[in-house]
Amino acid sequence: DAKTTQPNSMESNEEEPVHLPCNHSTISGTDYIHWYRQLPSQGPEYVIHGLTSNVNNRMASLAIAEDRKSSTLILHRATLRDAAVYYCILRRSTGNQFYFGTGTSLTVIP
Amino acid sequence: NAGVTQTPKFRILKIGQSMTLQCAQDMNHNYMYWYRQDPGMGLKLIYYSVGAGITDKGEVPNGYNVSRSTTEDFPLRLELAAPSQTSVYFCASSPTGEYGYTFGSGTRLTVV
Repeated sequence: DAKTTQPNSMESNEEEPVHLPCNHSTISGTDYIHWYRQLPSQGPEYVIHGLTSNVNNRMASLAIAEDRKSSTLILHRATLRDAAVYYCILRRSTGNQFYFGTGTSLTVIP
Repeated sequence: NAGVTQTPKFRILKIGQSMTLQCAQDMNHNYMYWYRQDPGMGLKLIYYSVGAGITDKGEVPNGYNVSRSTTEDFPLRLELAAPSQTSVYFCASSPTGEYGYTFGSGTRLTVV
């Protein structure tokens, strides 16, 4: 399964945009890019996913590079409630499981 | 809408004891998964199922067993608990294909 690389940690000021990067240089054509986040003492929560085109939902935006070897999760206005570990994961459309890395720990500074 | 329900939320086991972690979903999802998360680490896949009667191993299956007799339920069995199985266990489900997972709130297990 294709692997992803994320920074271990990032900081952002409250109410500013946050760009969380993810590299996935071995991505295949059938791999979907998924993002999850995990708040302290909770289970992971689905954020967004996409295949080739940029995606928006109420939580975030996902920007996918044209060659699909990297992507960026964009939180438009960080709040204290966005402090969490963010996981970037690849899932093959015919695949049965995700494999999680260690993710990026986001700290939001008031 | 309950989603994915895990029970119990907390449990302390003695070495060598057995227990079953329960997981139920009410979304009619075909796929179900068990992950464990050790402190400060990411999630590791234990077992998964693509439908009733079908299960398969993940990254770290040793010491665990699963069954899937119905679409709704996917219990995880620990036969001989060991301290290395101290962890937080998450169950998740998803439809087929490219859809995302819905996770339960987890079971925190301590083996002493």
